[in-house]
Amino acid sequence: DGGITQSPKYLFRKEGQNVTLSCEQNLNHDAMYWYRQDPGQGLRLIYYSQIVNDFQKGDIAEGYSVSREKKESFPLTVTSAQKNPTAFYLCASSATGGETQYFGPGTRLLVL
Amino acid sequence: GQQVMQIPQYQHVQEGEDFTTYCNSSTTLSNIQWYKQRPGGHPVFLIQLVKSGEVKKQKRLTFQFGEAKKNSSLHITATQTTDVGTYFCAGRGTASKLTFGTGTRLQVTL
Repeated sequence: DGGITQSPKYLFRKEGQNVTLSCEQNLNHDAMYWYRQDPGQGLRLIYYSQIVNDFQKGDIAEGYSVSREKKESFPLTVTSAQKNPTAFYLCASSATGGETQYFGPGTRLLVL
Repeated sequence: GQQVMQIPQYQHVQEGEDFTTYCNSSTTLSNIQWYKQRPGGHPVFLIQLVKSGEVKKQKRLTFQFGEAKKNSSLHITATQTTDVGTYFCAGRGTASKLTFGTGTRLQVTL
């Protein structure tokens, strides 16, 4: 089945700890995105990548980092610099930038 | 930068009533897309509008793209409990970037 997967479904972070959220797609899409969603709120863009080995900051990149070493993978690291990381994180991909986005099931991050 | 606003932020209707959400962009769009996110789920693509004044229908859902290509609307006729969720518009500007709207959360009760 073609699609986009995220793992884990739930993730717990201790204070001062970095955690990495996984996002994989087998749709052969060039573009990938990370969004943060807080309860009852909209989608805020963290980072996006339109091609392998290149990525750009979105609206709320501070405290986050990404890499795009492979076309299929776009992991997001939530660093200790992100003081309020508790949220629902959604990864998406599209054939090219601006095209229809396909979302993964999301990862819920909770701080202990 | 491009901003996309939606109104209302939240609407609560009784089953069988109609519902409309409006989407407004600060800049002219090349196309607009609509997504639905069920509670606890992820956004799912519904439809894309490209032409000025375009109207598309999906069963009880009617989507419209404004003449100036800066606004759009989604109208649901005779809502059902299965329509519950948050509806997002997303506008594509000249930079080939998709900007999501603020979303409208729809609650339907019997």
